[in-house]
Order: sequence, then structure tokens, then C-alpha cells
Amino acid sequence: AQSVTQLGSHVSVSEGALVLLRCNYSSSVPPYLFWYVQYPNQGLQLLLKYTSAATLVKGINGFEAEFKKSETSFHLTKPSAHMSDAAEYFCAVSGDTGFQKLVFGTGTRLLVSP
Amino acid sequence: SQTIHQWPATLVQPVGSPLSLECTVEGTSNPNLYWYRQAAGRGLQLLFYSVGIGQISSEVPQNLSASRPQDRQFILSSKKLLLSDSGFYLCAWSAQAISGNTIYFGEGSWLTVV
Repeated sequence: AQSVTQLGSHVSVSEGALVLLRCNYSSSVPPYLFWYVQYPNQGLQLLLKYTSAATLVKGINGFEAEFKKSETSFHLTKPSAHMSDAAEYFCAVSGDTGFQKLVFGTGTRLLVSP
Repeated sequence: SQTIHQWPATLVQPVGSPLSLECTVEGTSNPNLYWYRQAAGRGLQLLFYSVGIGQISSEVPQNLSASRPQDRQFILSSKKLLLSDSGFYLCAWSAQAISGNTIYFGEGSWLTVV
């Protein structure tokens, strides 16, 4: 079975500050890991994904995430927050089972203050 | 390019009434199709997935059902809605056969059962 834990349901940062959203996963098979962003009343948009190529993955809007197998983590970072980054962020995991099913974390709402 | 359409965007239904949410995917063939539900303050829960026409797998027992009458059409239904069926419903698709594929989401449907 696979699972994802996102630490912190809300994270508040000031504009220009570092963004760090935490994600830890559990998987009995080599995982594929994803970060999605959801703006209010919209669907989910893919930010980035890890598929066992490079451990540091760069995504859209200046976000990146690093896969650390020893820590079972896939934290999302951005060096400098923008007001437009305010949204909900979901980490998700799937396994190498031949069928793509994502298991999502409960999400972290990012609040950005001026 | 591929697109996914989901409707209606918003729905208010009385308890005991039927439900039909529709989803279509364009620009691809033989996709995997999914229905997720997002309850307020919670993560995303996979309700149903389908690997082909008429092939539906249910992840959790519930008051809902799904059907796939055509290759790129996925329908979520209920005969009698419960208050607990309220939430944000997301249709999604992915390409088949390759692990680690991205899942792409529609814009979602808000269902309020009153």
C-alpha cells in the first residue's frame, strides 16, 4: 500500500520568502511522485513529477522538488514566493504496478502575504 | 492536444434526487479515466477508475456508480443522493500502459446536496 503525508495543512510566507512544503511518502515499490497545485474552484494542475530520472526535479512557476529515498521525502520548494502562488498544493504517489493510480496527501494551503 | 471537459460545474440537488456528472476527453484514445472526490478540508479520494469501455473499478463502497459508455466518456451517477455526497468531484484521465504517467484533471464539479 502507498500513502502520502503532508506536514502542515497551512503554510504562511511573506512575498519574496522561501517556500517549503513538506511531503513524505510510503511505498513498497519504487515510487512515482507528483506535486499538483489547485487554485480556488479549479481542478488540479501538474507542477512537477519524479519518475526515477534526476532526483532534483524542476517544475513550472519556479518550483522544484528533491527526491530523497533515505528520508522518503519529496519536499516542494521555491526560492521566492509570489502572491500568485497562493493556492492549495497536493503531493501524490503512485507505484510501478502497471496501472496509474494516484494516492494523494490531504493538501497544504499556501498563504502569501505582502 | 488533449483536453478534458466536465459538466455541470455547479449543482445543487435535494436529498434523494438523482445525479449525473459527465466527463469527456478529447485528443486521445483509450485513456484511463478516473473520478475523484474532494470533501471540504480533505484530500482527494479515488472513487472509480476505468481502463476501457464498460470496465469500471470501484475503490470505496458508496452511494455512487460510474459508467463508461464510450471510449472517452465517463459518467458519475447516483439514484438517490445523500447529504454526505456533497463535495467537489474531479474527472481525470491518463494515457494507458506506462507507469508514471501524469494524470490530468478536469475543472471539477461542485455538488451541494441540501
